Amino acid sequence: ILNVEQSPQSLHVQEGDSTNFTCSFPSSNFYALHWYRWETAKSPEALFVMTLNGDEKKKGRISATLNTKEGYSYLYIKGSQPEDSATYLCAPTGGATNKLIFGTGTLLAVQP
Amino acid sequence: GAGVSQSPSNKVTEKGKDVELRCDPISGHTALYWYRQSLGQGLEFLIYFQGNSAPDKSGLPSDRFSAERTGGSVSTLTIQRTQQEDSAVYLCASSYTSGERQFFGPGTRLTVL
Repeated sequence: ILNVEQSPQSLHVQEGDSTNFTCSFPSSNFYALHWYRWETAKSPEALFVMTLNGDEKKKGRISATLNTKEGYSYLYIKGSQPEDSATYLCAPTGGATNKLIFGTGTLLAVQP
Repeated sequence: GAGVSQSPSNKVTEKGKDVELRCDPISGHTALYWYRQSLGQGLEFLIYFQGNSAPDKSGLPSDRFSAERTGGSVSTLTIQRTQQEDSAVYLCASSYTSGERQFFGPGTRLTVL
């Protein structure tokens, strides 16, 4: 069973601030790391799927890095906007079935 | 194209009744997943189907829960003799193949009275 930890649990920032969150996971038996954004009253939406140690992915103002040897990933948001307000979930997969084990998420609130 | 759809969107039932939740994945997606989110909790994996392989049922919380996927497409999650602790949002997701990004449906909110 994968133990996934995300920090901080919640974050309140002002519009224009840059921010980052952490996802920690066991480094053994690693296959891939998924990041999802879950806005209130909507379905989770995939942001990134990362597999390689040292990988860095970017989508607009959002980027993520991956360290599979030490078991962590960072998600960065540059110049936060109110529409970035959501819960950000990470989920590593391990083993043969590729099921996602989600962390409890980081709730981001961006004040205009 | 059409995304993942789920029905019903809301279901209220009485304790002890059976319920069926339906998921229509994106056409061509071979992997299908069920999750649930209970109040104040994170997303919990329930079951996973990949093509014709035996499903991974390791997340099902009890033998009252079962799921099937007919013809490699539509899936039904059945909860027998529902209990109040079964109340949650049940989410279905599909991906082109296992390990790839998952596309989530809108969920079914189940309330057991």
